[in-house]
Amino acid sequence: GAGVSQSPSNKVTEKGKDVELRCDPISGHTALYWYRQRLGQGLEFLIYFQGNSAPDKSGLPSDRFSAERTGESVSTLTIQRTQQEDSAVYLCASSLVAGAKTEAFFGQGTRLTVV
Amino acid sequence: QQQVKQSPQSLIVQKGGISIINCAYENTAFDYFPWYQQFPGKGPALLIAIRPDVSEKKEGRFTISFNKSAKQFSLHIMDSQPGDSATYFCAASRAGNTPLVFGKGTRLSVIA
Repeated sequence: GAGVSQSPSNKVTEKGKDVELRCDPISGHTALYWYRQRLGQGLEFLIYFQGNSAPDKSGLPSDRFSAERTGESVSTLTIQRTQQEDSAVYLCASSLVAGAKTEAFFGQGTRLTVV
Repeated sequence: QQQVKQSPQSLIVQKGGISIINCAYENTAFDYFPWYQQFPGKGPALLIAIRPDVSEKKEGRFTISFNKSAKQFSLHIMDSQPGDSATYFCAASRAGNTPLVFGKGTRLSVIA
């Protein structure tokens, strides 16, 4: 596809269950980011992958959150033992390493509701 | 500690008016300052961006003003239209493909 694709678009899960969110970045983009957006709030950085470098996990809120990326393609964000405060829109973005240009292209997000 | 502070939280502007959104930052290592526009149910999309070597950048009706000494930058939307009604986020990042740090957003409503 032409843009960043995220799935599912919506996910309702019961408290305590694990969820897995998927992100397909734009082909050729080596940088991939996950952000969390709570209702009416700004974007909160979670994790960043850049090529084969070790990911920057400094934004992950707890050890229940983890993410993986296969090479320079698909990434999955996993939330274990979900809590109600995990309810948010999870946004994925990718960018092309091209000198100083750092435009990040965002997907439409996965709206996670924990009930 | 909030690295990028954005104001106002919400803004109502008459059609044809000027919308102004302000942001301030602390980290002098930031060297890339984009503005993103987000419509309901969509992901944010890059609107316009500036680097600190210039004080102003204009693209159509959208202008970024940048004040390096004050560590502030602002978005001006000239001749605001109802279609501009969206949430606007300022952001900043350091050199390279480092993660963007976002402001909390401004919900703009342009009324006819």
